[in-house]
Amino acid sequence: DIVMTQTPLSLSVTPGQPASISCKSSQSLLRSDGKTYLYWYLQKPGQSPQLLIYEISSRFSGVPDRFSGSGSGTDFTLKISRVEAEDVGVYYCMQGIHPYTFGQGTKLEIK
Amino acid sequence: QITLKESGPTLVKPTQTLTLTCTFSGFSLSTSGVGVGWIRQPPGKALEWLALIYWDDDKRYSPSLKSRLTITKDTSKNQVVLTMTNMDPVDTATYYCAHRGYTTSWSFDYWGQGTLVTVSS
Repeated sequence: DIVMTQTPLSLSVTPGQPASISCKSSQSLLRSDGKTYLYWYLQKPGQSPQLLIYEISSRFSGVPDRFSGSGSGTDFTLKISRVEAEDVGVYYCMQGIHPYTFGQGTKLEIK
Repeated sequence: QITLKESGPTLVKPTQTLTLTCTFSGFSLSTSGVGVGWIRQPPGKALEWLALIYWDDDKRYSPSLKSRLTITKDTSKNQVVLTMTNMDPVDTATYYCAHRGYTTSWSFDYWGQGTLVTVSS
């Protein structure tokens, strides 16, 4: 199975400041179709996970443009350009090659 | 508008079989490119993918749980059912079903609210 490793596991950010989360996969997520099946999710307190980013960098419908994804192969990053109070929760990366696996999660808190 | 909702028992005893139903709307599981998956989350822990069924009845399972899982669909009822045998307290978790769509590069793009299942005697 592909292991997804996120860092850091927690971060505390002042509103208006940027935040960055790293996700590394144990093997390349680039497939023969040219796509890289890497997704980012946010699970707000008491809620179900919600899709933020698919295929490394495409924002899902309704996701603010302060969220951006980047990376390739095995190294990926989620960046929030200016953190807002509503961004608190746990962020997960997930890879879409069977069997599908998630990272351990990164908890974002507001200072 | 795609919505999904999980239903099933909130409490099961060890060794019993768990049956969960995902009832959805806003899409058809007979449409090419569509899938429904199950993901669980033990209290305070990370997400774990369990199983997935596609429009063409192709099924995928987590290798570590494959022997205990069965996923089926009823297209006419817009439902997907997951059964997990030989339940153990470590299976206590919130169980989610989610839509998997090709338009978002096969991500789980819409999720249900989840249902908490406790395994205890």
